[in-house]
Amino acid sequence: SAVISQKPSRDICQRGTSLTIQCQVDSQVTMMFWYRQQPGQSLTLIATANQGSEATYESGFVIDKFPISRPNLTFSTLTVSNMSPEDSSIYLCSGGQGETNEKLFFGSGTQLSVL
Amino acid sequence: AQKITQTQPGMFVQEKEAVTLDCTYDTSDQSYGLFWYKQPSSGEMIFLIYQGSYDEQNATEGRYSLNFQKARKSANLVISASQLGDSAMYFCAMREGRGNTPLVFGKGTRLSVIA
Repeated sequence: SAVISQKPSRDICQRGTSLTIQCQVDSQVTMMFWYRQQPGQSLTLIATANQGSEATYESGFVIDKFPISRPNLTFSTLTVSNMSPEDSSIYLCSGGQGETNEKLFFGSGTQLSVL
Repeated sequence: AQKITQTQPGMFVQEKEAVTLDCTYDTSDQSYGLFWYKQPSSGEMIFLIYQGSYDEQNATEGRYSLNFQKARKSANLVISASQLGDSAMYFCAMREGRGNTPLVFGKGTRLSVIA
């Protein structure tokens, strides 16, 4: 199984600022996924990040707000830009390996509070 | 239509008893995977168990087992000998198709284990 280190684990930010979340995987993974979990809610997919190409965003999420980088097969970042209190959520990254349905493991999450 | 349905917002179980958390799914794909994750108050997503659509036997991982009924499209999680540390949110999720596709999550069930 892949181990995914995610940081920061939590942060309190001011409105209008940006925060970059990093995920480091201990092995190469083909795809990485970024999720948002709003308070008391389930996980919602933000985007899928493949190395060497632009991330694919889900409906309701745009690149200007959530730019993603995937410079290699073990690392990805998600930036939450121009934050507002509505962005207060847990953000989680997840990594996938192989060509078939395989287990997906998650980073430990980033609890973001925007004041 | 929801792809993953968890009808129990909250469940209580006595310590050392078994508990079943319900999950039904909706997909037209022949190949898919079903997952259960545990999310304690710390926010991390802990992988519990995986069932592939072509697996003929129900998956088991220690005290966790998955009651897979393909015709009914259900994938219930059974936790045996509940422990106080099992108190958490539990999410059922599905990954459709073959390849690196993201997970779709249910709304979750909050399990409380009572001493």
